[in-house]
Amino acid sequence: KQEVTQIPAALSVPEGENLVLNCSFTDSAIYNLQWFRQDPGKGLTSLLLIQSSQREQTSGRLNASLDKSSGRSTLYIAASQPGDSATYLCAVPELMNRDDKIIFGKGTRLHILP
Amino acid sequence: NAGVTQTPKFQVLKTGQSMTLQCAQDMNHNSMYWYRQDPGMGLRLIYYSASEGTTDKGEVPNGYNVSRLNKREFSLRLESAAPSQTSVYFCASSEGPQRIQPQHFGDGTRLSIL
Repeated sequence: KQEVTQIPAALSVPEGENLVLNCSFTDSAIYNLQWFRQDPGKGLTSLLLIQSSQREQTSGRLNASLDKSSGRSTLYIAASQPGDSATYLCAVPELMNRDDKIIFGKGTRLHILP
Repeated sequence: NAGVTQTPKFQVLKTGQSMTLQCAQDMNHNSMYWYRQDPGMGLRLIYYSASEGTTDKGEVPNGYNVSRLNKREFSLRLESAAPSQTSVYFCASSEGPQRIQPQHFGDGTRLSIL
């Protein structure tokens, strides 16, 4: 069964720094990997969906990389801002059966210090 | 753009009461999902609907029922609420299967069962 791990659970970084969030998964046979952002009291917002055939996907100051063979993805945030403070989750499809399920990590809670 | 709308936003119930959580999307999406989010457990899929007229169980379906009323609306019903169902419930939708398409989430319903 697919398992998704995000370490650390929480991270504080001074404003302006570049940072990397990590996501690891146990089954490398994935279609894609998604990164989401969740603000307090809100739902999830999809940030990037990186296909299994891609190695990187970029959106503004965000860059997601995917290394299927090692079961890892990273989300790089450049020039961090206080508005980037949120919980970031990654998710991959569950491929053990034909059900339409994705497995979420528990997230990294990011705090950007002004 | 309304996106995915959930009602109510907050609800307090007594054990044994019933209620229905409502979800509507205005993006003409085929697939809709109900999740619950609990501290330390992450997001877990309750039920999903791949298209109008179809529903399937997710990871934690016990104690819940769903109805895909039409393409826009997907409701979640608790027939006899239990304290273990205290959680934040999220509805999501995607154009196609969530395994291959990005999802759009509502802002959640915060439900407390006393």
